[in-house]
Amino acid sequence: SQQGEEDPQALSIQEGENATMNCSYKTSINNLQWYRQNSGRGLVHLILIRSNEREKHSGRLRVTLDTSKKSSSLLITASRAADTASYFCATPEGDNYGQNFVFGPGTRLSVLP
Amino acid sequence: DAGVIQSPRHEVTEMGQEVTLRCKPISGHNSLFWYRQTMMRGLELLIYFNNNVPIDDSGMPEDRFSAKMPNASFSTLKIQPSEPRDSAVYFCASSLHSGEPQPQHFGDGTRLSIL
Repeated sequence: SQQGEEDPQALSIQEGENATMNCSYKTSINNLQWYRQNSGRGLVHLILIRSNEREKHSGRLRVTLDTSKKSSSLLITASRAADTASYFCATPEGDNYGQNFVFGPGTRLSVLP
Repeated sequence: DAGVIQSPRHEVTEMGQEVTLRCKPISGHNSLFWYRQTMMRGLELLIYFNNNVPIDDSGMPEDRFSAKMPNASFSTLKIQPSEPRDSAVYFCASSLHSGEPQPQHFGDGTRLSIL
């Protein structure tokens, strides 16, 4: 099965700094999604990027997708303590047209005040 | 605007007991997913439904696990009999299957502890 693998596993930064997380996957996809999970809560969808897109922005978030390298990155600019959470990439399972996604193990981000 | 609602939020029970987890998806969504999250294995898909029909249950670990979706607004995940290794956080998620990639919307999970 396709599985995104996030890197690094854990990241600790100071408030105001930028945080970059990477995701690598194994086979061709038609889209890739990023999610955030706060402690004790469910996953929250952040951004969806399609295979024909190279970059997408949402507020302080910037996601890139390089299909030739089978990798994606999530950049959080001007981080805040409230950004402390785990971040997951999700890639489609199977024929890419279904709704089934495989989630990576996640990156634990700690933003220190 | 109500999100995915799961109940109970916490469940502690003794091994051998039957456990039933409940989920109400977002109104209008036609896909529903059950996941299990543990430190060791991360987030695993157990089963998912489209239009109330189970599509893929290959992630269901054993016959002790069963899931139903009797209508578009309700689903259950049942474990009988429960074992300590079933302890995990169980999430339900829903989405709108439209032929285009869609995000999944997660509930806040049920933290299950089997003693």
